[in-house]
Amino acid sequence: GQNIDQPTEMTATEGAIVQINCTYQTSGFNGLFWYQQHAGEAPTFLSYNVLDGLEEKGRFSSFLSRSKGYSYLLLKELQMKDSASYLCAVIDSNYQLIWGAGTKLIIKP
Amino acid sequence: DVKVTQSSRYLVKRTGEKVFLECVQDMDHENMFWYRQDPGLGLRLIYFSYDVKMKEKGDIPEGYSVSREKKERFSLILESASTNQTSMYLCASSFPADSGNTIYFGEGSWLTVV
Repeated sequence: GQNIDQPTEMTATEGAIVQINCTYQTSGFNGLFWYQQHAGEAPTFLSYNVLDGLEEKGRFSSFLSRSKGYSYLLLKELQMKDSASYLCAVIDSNYQLIWGAGTKLIIKP
Repeated sequence: DVKVTQSSRYLVKRTGEKVFLECVQDMDHENMFWYRQDPGLGLRLIYFSYDVKMKEKGDIPEGYSVSREKKERFSLILESASTNQTSMYLCASSFPADSGNTIYFGEGSWLTVV
């Protein structure tokens, strides 16, 4: 079966750095997305990785290792508004999106 | 700006009622999706469509049907609502996935079946 694993919940302090991990076992791989979802709102796009390595976009970076079936989202200089759920999703060999259950990130002052 | 619009934000329906959830996108996307999202389960795909009048079952199609008569509109139908269909429903759209095209979501429809 296809599976994406993320931690259910993480807590971090305002101003700090947090890394949210995502491991996947899918039938093929054609890319990986990270989305942010604030409570009661729709998910919004953060990043897309299809090649190994780090993609940096402001305070957020996303890393991919295809050989390890592993990605992480790195959030720097955390702000209270970063409190949200972070969803990892993989495009499989049939170009279907497989979603993880999401990681709820709680930011404390 | 990209826009996916869902017709109803909050609905309360009775068991056995027929429920229509409408979704419209203004980006000329080929692909449209209906998901439901429940705590701890993440996004689960109900149905998707790659073209007008075309539909494919997702992971949990039982109890649901869909309609795509026009490219911009994708409707989700609950023929006879049940309490286990109480959930948040998300519509989404995208260009074909083979180029890593971003998927865009609507605001979500919170359905309570009593």
